[in-house]
Amino acid sequence: NAGVTQTPKFRVLKTGQSMTLLCAQDMNHEYMYWYRQDPGMGLRLIHYSVGEGTTAKGEVPDGYNVSRLKKQNFLLGLESAAPSQTSVYFCASRSGTSGGNEQFFGPGTRLTVL
Amino acid sequence: GEDVEQSLFLSVREGDSSVINCTYTDSSSTYLYWYKQEPGAGLQLLTYIFSNMDMKQDQRLTVLLNKKDKHLSLRIADTQTGDSAIYFCAETDTGRRALTFGSGTRLQVQP
Repeated sequence: NAGVTQTPKFRVLKTGQSMTLLCAQDMNHEYMYWYRQDPGMGLRLIHYSVGEGTTAKGEVPDGYNVSRLKKQNFLLGLESAAPSQTSVYFCASRSGTSGGNEQFFGPGTRLTVL
Repeated sequence: GEDVEQSLFLSVREGDSSVINCTYTDSSSTYLYWYKQEPGAGLQLLTYIFSNMDMKQDQRLTVLLNKKDKHLSLRIADTQTGDSAIYFCAETDTGRRALTFGSGTRLQVQP
């Protein structure tokens, strides 16, 4: 099992460019999450999904869109990147069967917006 | 809204015990977690505790939960240089089951 993978690992964008971050998990998990981590802060929830075809907003959703067309994939899109979106982005997944189940995190994508 | 707070920095000597503290505000929290993040890496789950427990021990790790005061602590016994990292406290709700994180405590272990 690869667990949770994220592509790309690094990316530099110019203001106004668009891009899509891909998260994939091979654990058949129902729940998937996108977080961002800024210096000196914990992770903050951007969007999440409780199953294929569903998405919902987290605490900091502005400027991002997501899609979950397949259970194993959760895409995070930036339509018009801004310097404030410079951050490290983490994807996570978990089983939906029990409240204490671990969230498994991907290795992160480091995004810089110039 | 939910809020999780931690002290920013802790320095200990190798072999000593480390205690990292966390406070949270959401009284409906069901599970509380401790994650470890090494430089340039993702998050690794260390341990978690259910809200109806007051203590959990796992090898060198001891988690204490005071639900009345909404205070969580992580004790690392015989701290090693490999324990140097940022430690995040997090809690989850019963609905979306997303995590709300503290800002992290940087643990520095001096030889």
